[in-house]
Amino acid sequence: GQQLNQSPQSMFIQEGEDVSMNCTSSSIFNTWLWYKQDPGEGPVLLIALYKAGELTSNGRLTAQFGITRKDSFLNISASIPSDVGIYFCAGPPRDSNYQLIWGAGTKLIIKP
Amino acid sequence: DGGITQSPKYLFRKEGQNVTLSCEQNLNHDAMYWYRQDPGQGLRLIYYSQIVNDFQKGDIAEGYSVSREKKESFPLTVTSAQKNPTAFYLCASTSFNIQYFGAGTRLSVL
Repeated sequence: GQQLNQSPQSMFIQEGEDVSMNCTSSSIFNTWLWYKQDPGEGPVLLIALYKAGELTSNGRLTAQFGITRKDSFLNISASIPSDVGIYFCAGPPRDSNYQLIWGAGTKLIIKP
Repeated sequence: DGGITQSPKYLFRKEGQNVTLSCEQNLNHDAMYWYRQDPGQGLRLIYYSQIVNDFQKGDIAEGYSVSREKKESFPLTVTSAQKNPTAFYLCASTSFNIQYFGAGTRLSVL
């Protein structure tokens, strides 16, 4: 079945650094979603991408829908302490309009 | 405010006991979902429902049951058959492929 491979699994960063993470699949996705989960809370949608090559920003966050439609990238500029959390990519599988396939998440940790 | 409400926030289960997690939404969404999240893990689908009085098993349905008698409500019962129930449980509803989540219920075993 379709799977999403998300990397890196975790990142230790200094405040102020830029962050990059990505999500790849062996099959095509028509929509890419990026969510953030704060500790002890449910995931919240950050950015939705619907078109190959699309580049969308939300404040310091920028996400791109890969040209091949098999990957997506999320960048965070000038990280701050509240960026800590788990970032998930997700997308609807080919054969369903109701379900999402989820990446395993990238955990962002700020170095003290 | 529109949203998804999960209760309780924390729940403790004794061995052999069934417990029910509540999920209510006022977003008028047709489809609702239950996920399980283990520490350091992603989201695994337990059950989902596309319409009232209908639901389907997800990837890890064994030991769980659901009902969907009302559009707004999708409760999850963790039965005694679920031998490893300790996890964070998330309820979601969907609109145009985007899922919206509740704040979660953390279930622990006494």
